[in-house]
Amino acid sequence: EAGVAQSPRYKIIEKRQSVAFWCNPISGHATLYWYQQILGQGPKLLIQFQNNGVVDDSQLPKDRFSAERLKGVDSTLKIQPAKLEDSAVYLCASSLGGTLGAVTETQYFGPGTRLLVL
Amino acid sequence: AQKVTQAQTEISVVEKEDVTLDCVYETRDTTYYLFWYKQPPSGELVFLIRRNSFDEQNEISGRYSWNFQKSTSSFNFTITASQVVDSAVYFCALSATNTGTASKLTFGTGTRLQVTL
Repeated sequence: EAGVAQSPRYKIIEKRQSVAFWCNPISGHATLYWYQQILGQGPKLLIQFQNNGVVDDSQLPKDRFSAERLKGVDSTLKIQPAKLEDSAVYLCASSLGGTLGAVTETQYFGPGTRLLVL
Repeated sequence: AQKVTQAQTEISVVEKEDVTLDCVYETRDTTYYLFWYKQPPSGELVFLIRRNSFDEQNEISGRYSWNFQKSTSSFNFTITASQVVDSAVYFCALSATNTGTASKLTFGTGTRLQVTL
Protein backbone atom coordinates (compact mmCIF):
# COMPACT_ATOMS: atom_id res chain seq x y z
CA GLU A 1 0.00 0.00 0.00
CA ALA A 2 1.41 3.37 -1.01
CA GLY A 3 2.08 5.81 1.81
CA VAL A 4 1.45 9.53 2.05
CA ALA A 5 3.18 11.38 -0.77
CA GLN A 6 4.50 14.93 -0.51
CA SER A 7 6.28 17.27 -2.88
CA PRO A 8 8.61 18.97 -3.15
CA ARG A 9 10.96 17.43 -0.60
CA TYR A 10 13.03 20.60 -0.28
CA LYS A 11 12.38 24.24 -1.02
CA ILE A 12 14.49 27.35 -0.54
CA ILE A 13 12.88 30.75 -1.02
CA GLU A 14 13.47 34.32 0.00
CA LYS A 15 11.28 36.08 2.53
CA ARG A 16 8.14 37.65 1.11
CA GLN A 17 8.00 35.07 -1.67
CA SER A 18 5.18 32.55 -1.89
CA VAL A 19 5.45 28.78 -1.79
CA ALA A 20 3.08 25.83 -2.12
CA PHE A 21 3.30 22.25 -0.90
CA TRP A 22 1.35 19.29 -2.17
CA CYS A 23 0.14 16.17 -0.38
CA ASN A 24 -1.55 13.00 -1.58
CA PRO A 25 -2.88 10.89 1.30
CA ILE A 26 -3.13 7.13 1.57
CA SER A 27 -5.86 5.89 -0.73
CA GLY A 28 -9.22 5.77 1.03
CA HIS A 29 -8.18 8.01 3.91
CA ALA A 30 -10.80 10.68 4.48
CA THR A 31 -8.91 12.75 7.03
CA LEU A 32 -5.86 14.79 6.11
CA TYR A 33 -3.61 16.85 8.38
CA TRP A 34 -0.90 19.45 7.84
CA TYR A 35 1.72 19.87 10.56
CA GLN A 36 4.58 22.33 10.99
CA GLN A 37 7.72 21.00 12.65
CA ILE A 38 10.29 23.60 13.66
CA LEU A 39 13.79 22.31 14.29
CA GLY A 40 14.10 20.73 17.71
CA GLN A 41 10.36 20.66 18.33
CA GLY A 42 7.51 18.23 17.91
CA PRO A 43 5.06 18.65 15.04
CA LYS A 44 2.28 21.20 15.55
CA LEU A 45 -1.07 20.78 13.82
CA LEU A 46 -1.87 23.55 11.36
CA ILE A 47 -5.08 22.28 9.79
CA GLN A 48 -7.22 19.15 9.65
CA PHE A 49 -9.60 18.20 6.83
CA GLN A 50 -12.38 15.65 6.87
CA ASN A 51 -12.96 14.93 3.17
CA ASN A 52 -12.98 18.47 1.69
CA GLY A 53 -14.21 20.23 4.84
CA VAL A 54 -12.06 21.92 7.49
CA VAL A 55 -12.32 20.32 10.95
CA ASP A 56 -9.72 22.38 12.81
CA ASP A 57 -7.63 25.32 11.61
CA SER A 58 -7.28 27.07 14.96
CA GLN A 59 -3.48 27.13 14.77
CA LEU A 60 -3.20 28.13 11.12
CA PRO A 61 -1.82 31.69 10.68
CA LYS A 62 -4.56 32.67 8.32
CA ASP A 63 -3.02 35.99 7.35
CA ARG A 64 -0.34 34.16 5.37
CA PHE A 65 -1.18 30.45 5.32
CA SER A 66 -3.97 28.83 3.33
CA ALA A 67 -4.86 25.25 2.56
CA GLU A 68 -7.38 23.49 0.40
CA ARG A 69 -8.57 20.00 -0.37
CA LEU A 70 -11.02 20.67 -3.14
CA LYS A 71 -11.91 17.13 -4.23
CA GLY A 72 -11.43 15.49 -0.86
CA VAL A 73 -8.25 13.69 -1.91
CA ASP A 74 -5.00 15.59 -2.35
CA SER A 75 -4.30 18.89 -0.67
CA THR A 76 -2.22 22.02 -1.10
CA LEU A 77 -0.74 24.21 1.63
CA LYS A 78 0.36 27.71 0.64
CA ILE A 79 2.37 30.38 2.38
CA GLN A 80 2.17 33.93 1.04
CA PRO A 81 4.24 35.91 1.90
CA ALA A 82 6.80 33.76 3.67
CA LYS A 83 8.67 34.93 6.75
CA LEU A 84 11.98 33.76 8.16
CA GLU A 85 10.20 32.00 11.03
CA ASP A 86 8.32 29.81 8.55
CA SER A 87 11.50 27.79 8.03
CA ALA A 88 10.46 24.32 9.12
CA VAL A 89 9.46 20.88 7.92
CA TYR A 90 5.87 20.68 6.75
CA LEU A 91 4.40 17.25 7.33
CA CYS A 92 1.25 15.86 5.85
CA ALA A 93 -0.57 12.97 7.51
CA SER A 94 -3.74 11.02 6.84
CA SER A 95 -6.06 8.71 8.70
CA LEU A 96 -9.06 6.61 7.72
CA GLY A 97 -11.59 9.13 8.89
CA GLY A 98 -15.19 8.53 9.68
CA THR A 99 -17.88 10.14 11.72
CA LEU A 100 -16.74 13.51 12.98
CA GLY A 101 -15.75 13.27 16.62
CA ALA A 102 -15.32 9.53 16.44
CA VAL A 103 -12.61 7.54 18.13
CA THR A 104 -9.07 8.78 17.73
CA GLU A 105 -7.37 7.22 14.75
CA THR A 106 -3.79 6.49 13.90
CA GLN A 107 -2.21 9.07 11.63
CA TYR A 108 0.30 8.06 8.97
CA PHE A 109 2.83 10.64 7.92
CA GLY A 110 4.54 11.56 4.67
CA PRO A 111 8.25 12.35 4.31
CA GLY A 112 7.70 16.09 4.72
CA THR A 113 8.82 19.19 2.85
CA ARG A 114 11.82 21.03 4.28
CA LEU A 115 11.37 24.76 3.77
CA LEU A 116 14.18 27.26 4.23
CA VAL A 117 13.29 30.95 4.08
CA LEU A 118 16.27 33.28 3.55
CA ALA B 1 -5.30 21.28 27.70
CA GLN B 2 -3.04 18.42 26.76
CA LYS B 3 0.69 18.32 27.35
CA VAL B 4 3.41 15.77 26.66
CA THR B 5 6.83 15.99 28.28
CA GLN B 6 9.88 14.15 27.04
CA ALA B 7 12.53 15.28 29.48
CA GLN B 8 15.40 13.46 27.76
CA THR B 9 16.61 15.62 24.90
CA GLU B 10 19.33 13.28 23.72
CA ILE B 11 20.53 9.81 24.69
CA SER B 12 23.67 8.05 23.48
CA VAL B 13 24.17 4.33 23.93
CA VAL B 14 26.48 1.68 22.59
CA GLU B 15 24.98 -1.01 20.40
CA LYS B 16 23.35 -3.88 22.30
CA GLU B 17 22.63 -1.74 25.33
CA ASP B 18 19.04 -1.41 26.51
CA VAL B 19 17.58 2.08 26.54
CA THR B 20 14.36 3.58 27.93
CA LEU B 21 12.76 6.72 26.59
CA ASP B 22 10.51 8.53 29.05
CA CYS B 23 7.16 10.13 28.33
CA VAL B 24 4.92 11.92 30.82
CA TYR B 25 1.56 13.31 29.78
CA GLU B 26 -1.14 15.59 31.14
CA THR B 27 -4.79 15.56 30.24
CA ARG B 28 -8.14 16.08 31.96
CA ASP B 29 -9.89 13.67 29.66
CA THR B 30 -10.68 10.21 30.94
CA THR B 31 -10.54 8.74 27.43
CA TYR B 32 -7.36 9.36 25.52
CA TYR B 33 -4.79 7.68 23.29
CA LEU B 34 -1.04 7.61 23.48
CA PHE B 35 1.32 7.11 20.57
CA TRP B 36 4.99 6.68 19.86
CA TYR B 37 6.49 7.70 16.52
CA LYS B 38 10.02 7.29 15.19
CA GLN B 39 11.58 9.97 12.99
CA PRO B 40 14.73 8.76 11.23
CA PRO B 41 17.04 11.20 9.44
CA SER B 42 14.90 10.90 6.31
CA GLY B 43 12.27 12.92 8.15
CA GLU B 44 9.19 10.72 7.88
CA LEU B 45 7.35 10.00 11.12
CA VAL B 46 6.92 6.25 11.45
CA PHE B 47 4.07 4.99 13.61
CA LEU B 48 5.19 2.53 16.31
CA ILE B 49 2.32 2.03 18.74
CA ARG B 50 -1.02 3.33 19.94
CA ARG B 51 -2.63 2.61 23.32
CA ASN B 52 -5.92 3.75 24.78
CA SER B 53 -6.39 4.95 28.33
CA PHE B 54 -8.36 1.88 29.36
CA ASP B 55 -5.68 -0.60 28.42
CA GLU B 56 -2.74 -0.55 30.82
CA GLN B 57 -1.29 -3.83 29.66
CA ASN B 58 2.33 -3.55 28.72
CA GLU B 59 3.14 -4.44 25.16
CA ILE B 60 6.13 -6.07 23.55
CA SER B 61 6.93 -6.10 19.86
CA GLY B 62 10.26 -7.68 19.08
CA ARG B 63 12.95 -5.55 20.70
CA TYR B 64 10.45 -2.82 21.56
CA SER B 65 8.34 -2.69 24.70
CA TRP B 66 6.06 -0.12 26.22
CA ASN B 67 5.15 0.48 29.87
CA PHE B 68 1.90 2.41 30.40
CA GLN B 69 1.20 3.54 33.97
CA LYS B 70 -1.84 5.75 34.54
CA SER B 71 -0.90 6.27 38.19
CA THR B 72 2.18 8.21 37.14
CA SER B 73 0.82 9.43 33.77
CA SER B 74 3.71 7.83 31.97
CA PHE B 75 4.09 5.85 28.78
CA ASN B 76 7.73 4.80 28.56
CA PHE B 77 9.38 3.06 25.63
CA THR B 78 12.22 0.56 25.97
CA ILE B 79 14.46 -0.72 23.20
CA THR B 80 16.25 -3.93 24.12
CA ALA B 81 19.63 -4.72 22.57
CA SER B 82 19.73 -1.45 20.65
CA GLN B 83 21.06 -1.34 17.09
CA VAL B 84 22.55 1.44 14.99
CA VAL B 85 19.37 1.45 12.89
CA ASP B 86 17.45 2.55 15.99
CA SER B 87 19.18 5.94 15.82
CA ALA B 88 16.40 8.48 15.32
CA VAL B 89 14.27 11.03 17.10
CA TYR B 90 11.40 9.43 18.99
CA PHE B 91 8.20 11.31 19.70
CA CYS B 92 5.51 10.56 22.23
CA ALA B 93 2.06 11.97 21.42
CA LEU B 94 -1.33 12.25 23.07
CA SER B 95 -4.82 12.52 21.65
CA ALA B 96 -7.93 13.05 23.71
CA THR B 97 -11.37 12.37 22.33
CA ASN B 98 -13.13 15.70 22.14
CA THR B 99 -16.60 15.94 20.76
CA GLY B 100 -16.65 17.75 17.46
CA THR B 101 -13.04 17.13 16.55
CA ALA B 102 -11.14 13.96 16.01
CA SER B 103 -7.60 12.80 16.45
CA LYS B 104 -5.84 16.04 17.40
CA LEU B 105 -2.32 14.97 18.36
CA THR B 106 -0.20 16.80 20.89
CA PHE B 107 3.47 15.87 20.52
CA GLY B 108 6.34 16.02 22.95
CA THR B 109 9.59 17.67 21.93
CA GLY B 110 11.20 14.36 21.10
CA THR B 111 14.21 12.38 22.31
CA ARG B 112 17.14 11.95 19.97
CA LEU B 113 18.65 8.48 20.32
CA GLN B 114 22.16 7.88 19.04
CA VAL B 115 23.33 4.27 18.92
CA THR B 116 27.02 3.78 18.20
CA LEU B 117 29.14 0.72 17.51
